[in-house]
Amino acid sequence: NAGVTQTPKFRVLKTGQSMTLLCAQDMNHEYMYWYRQDPGMGLRLIHYSVGEGTTAKGEVPDGYNVSRLKKQNFLLGLESAAPSQTSVYFCASSWRTGGNTEAFFGQGTRLTVV
Amino acid sequence: AQTVTQSQPEMSVQEAETVTLSCTYDTSENNYYLFWYKQPPSRQMILVIRQEAYKQQNATENRFSVNFQKAAKSFSLKISDSQLGDTAMYFCAFKGSGGSQGNLIFGKGTKLSVKP
Repeated sequence: NAGVTQTPKFRVLKTGQSMTLLCAQDMNHEYMYWYRQDPGMGLRLIHYSVGEGTTAKGEVPDGYNVSRLKKQNFLLGLESAAPSQTSVYFCASSWRTGGNTEAFFGQGTRLTVV
Repeated sequence: AQTVTQSQPEMSVQEAETVTLSCTYDTSENNYYLFWYKQPPSRQMILVIRQEAYKQQNATENRFSVNFQKAAKSFSLKISDSQLGDTAMYFCAFKGSGGSQGNLIFGKGTKLSVKP
């Protein structure tokens, strides 16, 4: 019963490098989200998806791209990493938006850009 | 746009005592949902309790209860009989009724320390 799994758990990048964070959920959820967590800032929504093949911008989308080619996977890409993208990244999924449906979170990815 | 404010960056409580964490929010919607999430040092986000705005009765989950004041747009979390395992960051979150308004919006969090 894996729930939401994020890969990798930790990563160090040099400025200008690219990488992709993978989120996989096995609950057949339609909705998936990427958040970033910074000290004193709470969690802020980067991008989200309301179904396979769809993506939408959240509060802080600049510098990130996403893809949802398969319902169970939601990828977050950094094309040219910057130190300002040093953060902890969380993926989440839910059955639907709205309502009191619970969002399930992965364990987070700690990314450091040097 | 909706906003969520947690005015207490840090709090501490003695084991077995009661503590209340504050949360206020701003919205023009009438139907919405409120949540408290716990984030222990493991980083895992854990749902503690949820409240539907159209329900007047305050939600309760074992030692956790809320004081939901819709007119005041206030949603505080009360932890009774605090335990060492309650030490964590606590996030208040708002979710609207659907569409792009249905995404979770988080406050900045309150760091709770339970002291033995």
